[in-house]
Amino acid sequence: AQTVTQSQPEMSVQEAETVTLSCTYDTSESDYYLFWYKQPPSRQMILVIRQEAYKQQNATENRFSVNFQKAAKSFSLKISDSQLGDAAMYFCAYQASGAGSYQLTFGKGTKLSVIP
Amino acid sequence: DTGVSQDPRHKITKRGQNVTFRCDPISEHNRLYWYRQTLGQGPEFLTYFQNEAQLEKSRLLSDRFSAERPKGSFSTLEIQRTEQGDSAMYLCASSPPTLNVLTFGAGSRLTVL
Repeated sequence: AQTVTQSQPEMSVQEAETVTLSCTYDTSESDYYLFWYKQPPSRQMILVIRQEAYKQQNATENRFSVNFQKAAKSFSLKISDSQLGDAAMYFCAYQASGAGSYQLTFGKGTKLSVIP
Repeated sequence: DTGVSQDPRHKITKRGQNVTFRCDPISEHNRLYWYRQTLGQGPEFLTYFQNEAQLEKSRLLSDRFSAERPKGSFSTLEIQRTEQGDSAMYLCASSPPTLNVLTFGAGSRLTVL
């Protein structure tokens, strides 16, 4: 079974600084998808960034970028120029590719605090 | 369209009672998912619908849990004979036919006393 591990239960970053959240996963598949989701306090979960495993290029979305290391099964999220609104729980998630693969497997999350 | 709607937002019930949650997905989304999230954990997959067909169920979905999606629109998740261990946030999400990007609702929080 696939597993997703987020080894940092909590992280903090100074406003305007850069922070990196770690995620590792275990799979025997060669093709899959990886995601970072953000869950602000008492608000719904929203997609931050999505990576397709067959693509070598790391995904970026404005201030958010990933470092995808397929051989190491590592998928870290870098947040640049951190803002107060970035404070949230961040979940890394895995989804196998192919027909019949519908479920996301989530890590336990990293709580990010942004210090003004 | 206002996104994925879930109702009720919070339900408090006594052990042994039945509860039902409703999810209204984004209208163009034919895929619908239910997840359960307990405190300090990431969401855990419960079940998946494509249109009205329930295509996948987790082993977490015991026989006390049942989900439906009549006519491929809204979905309901019913929990019978609730137990204290059922206390959690129940999340619904939907996605369009050709892109595996989920839009989540705000969740329905269940407290079983």
